Amino acid sequence: NAGVTQTPKFQVLKTGQSMTLQCAQDMNHNSMYWYRQDPGMGLRLIYYSASEGTTDKGEVPNGYNVSRLNKREFSLRLESAAPSQTSVYFCASNWGGAGTEAFFGQGTRLTVV
Amino acid sequence: AQTVTQSQPEMSVQEAETVTLSCTYDTSESDYYLFWYKQPPSRQMILVIRQEAYKQQNATENRFSVNFQKAAKSFSLKISDSQLGDAAMYFCAYSQGGSEKLVFGKGTKLTVNP
Repeated sequence: NAGVTQTPKFQVLKTGQSMTLQCAQDMNHNSMYWYRQDPGMGLRLIYYSASEGTTDKGEVPNGYNVSRLNKREFSLRLESAAPSQTSVYFCASNWGGAGTEAFFGQGTRLTVV
Repeated sequence: AQTVTQSQPEMSVQEAETVTLSCTYDTSESDYYLFWYKQPPSRQMILVIRQEAYKQQNATENRFSVNFQKAAKSFSLKISDSQLGDAAMYFCAYSQGGSEKLVFGKGTKLTVNP
């Protein structure tokens, strides 16, 4: 079982460049999430999608856009990358509703120089 | 907004000993869920244990158990018979009833010494 798959696993961008992080899940989950992890900060929610066709802002949405392409896929786009967006990005999914286990991808380490 | 606080940035334990990781949270809600996630060096986030706020009984999963003190808003994780494979970052997380969102603490890095 693949679970949650993120691509790429590593990326280096120059300031001002754009890129899209891809995420796909094969568990038929309703909800999908994007988090960023920074040293000493834990995981902070960027955007989430409770169902296909809906997206909502999380704690730190500035500088990001998302697309819930279909039930399986949820992408995160950086339009103009900044050094402050250097981080490890995690995609996660679950059935939705409080209390359900979230399943995570293996993360994307992004460095913006 | 709900907050989750892990006051121990780092902890260490001897192999086969017991260690307790602390977590406190702030909420005015009565319906919520609490989680402990483990992140080993591989970066893969793994659910360790989950607690429903309406349940008085503390959750247990093999060597992992929690001490859930609802009035004190405390949710500590006890790892018994620590193993080298338990070395990881541990994150406490909160989810409010009716919401899909998880709010994480900043994590505790656990080192297991042989």
